[in-house]
Amino acid sequence: SAVISQKPSRDICQRGTSLTIQCQVDSQVTMMFWYRQQPGQSLTLIATANQGSEATYESGFVIDKFPISRPNLTFSTLTVSNMSPEDSSIYLCSVDITGSEVGYTFGSGTRLTVV
Amino acid sequence: GQQVMQIPQYQHVQEGEDFTTYCNSSTTLSNIQWYKQRPGGHPVFLIQLVKSGEVKKQKRLTFQFGEAKKNSSLHITATQTTDVGTYFCAGIASNTGKLIFGQGTTLQVKP
Repeated sequence: SAVISQKPSRDICQRGTSLTIQCQVDSQVTMMFWYRQQPGQSLTLIATANQGSEATYESGFVIDKFPISRPNLTFSTLTVSNMSPEDSSIYLCSVDITGSEVGYTFGSGTRLTVV
Repeated sequence: GQQVMQIPQYQHVQEGEDFTTYCNSSTTLSNIQWYKQRPGGHPVFLIQLVKSGEVKKQKRLTFQFGEAKKNSSLHITATQTTDVGTYFCAGIASNTGKLIFGQGTTLQVKP
């Protein structure tokens, strides 16, 4: 399975500011996924990031709020823009190694608190 | 859109008791995956089921995939305190290819 390095692990941010979360994978992967997990809740898919094309966003998530970059096959960033307290959540990146049976591998997550 | 429902939301058991969580999808799944998330941790992959009616075992854990590929279950025999955490099922819909998570079942085990 892949190993994902995600940072920062946590941050406390002022409302109205932006935070960029980074994920580095130790192998090349076609698709990377960004999930949000609100406290005590399940994981909700934000978007799918493909290298060389714009990310595909799920219903309820828009590029202006959550811009994503995917400059190469091992790296992606998610920015949470113009933050409000409702954005307080855990953000996780994940990858699926195509053809494997090891499921999705997740980064350790970024615990964001907006004050 | 696709929904994956999971019950119960919480389960408290005495150590040594059995535990089962159930998962139902609104659409047919190409496969179903199970994850465990320890408190403060991230989801960790447990297993993937692909075939209709498939049953897989991992020590005290038994996973089943329904004949119609729309439901699944995870059964833990003789729970231990190390089983504490939230168990998520996650399905990949045949028509979208996206992995959608159920709400999770949080298991507490009293020693």
